[in-house]
Amino acid sequence: EAEVAQSPRYKITEKSQAVAFWCDPISGHATLYWYRQILGQGPELLVQFQDESVVDDSQLPKDRFSAERLKGVDSTLKIQPAELGDSAMYLCASSQAGVSYNEQFFGPGTRLTVL
Amino acid sequence: KNEVEQSPQNLTAQEGEFITINCSYSVGISALHWLQQHPGGGIVSLFMLSSGKKKHGRLIATINIQEKHSSLHITASHPRDSAVYICAVHNTDKLIFGTGTRLQVFP
Repeated sequence: EAEVAQSPRYKITEKSQAVAFWCDPISGHATLYWYRQILGQGPELLVQFQDESVVDDSQLPKDRFSAERLKGVDSTLKIQPAELGDSAMYLCASSQAGVSYNEQFFGPGTRLTVL
Repeated sequence: KNEVEQSPQNLTAQEGEFITINCSYSVGISALHWLQQHPGGGIVSLFMLSSGKKKHGRLIATINIQEKHSSLHITASHPRDSAVYICAVHNTDKLIFGTGTRLQVFP
């Protein structure tokens, strides 16, 4: 069964360091989402891609976060420099198209701890 | 006030009990998801529904569009059902998530 892949699964870093997360969506899924989930809360959308284009990055802290999906397939989310408050689960999801009705499939997430 | 609210926040049950988790929303939606998240794990989609009722094994999801309310039921609960259950609604092209209900089922 096709799955969304993410790596690494866990990342521990010190504040002010740079971190990067990788996501490979289900083959053929044009829409890719990056979410941040703070412990005890629901996921919050950081950025949404349609193919290689950013559709929504209104909640992405652009002073330190960046995301790219250069060839419209896999994607990288980067944080530089990391801050203590960035400790969270970072989830990637994909769906077949940017239509509101389409089901999103989630990856296993990357749990980031910033010391 | 959150646009998607779930109740209860935490729930404990004995194995075999019937479980109900509720979700209320205040925005217009095209569909509603029920998601399951195990400790340290990713999120698995259980149901996506826009009307009526869906059943999968011991899980049943219902939605009342007029009342803006959905319920997730688990019949004959089992310890392996222990997880966080999240309600999420499709609003325009976004998913809006509830904060989740943490369920623990004891043997």
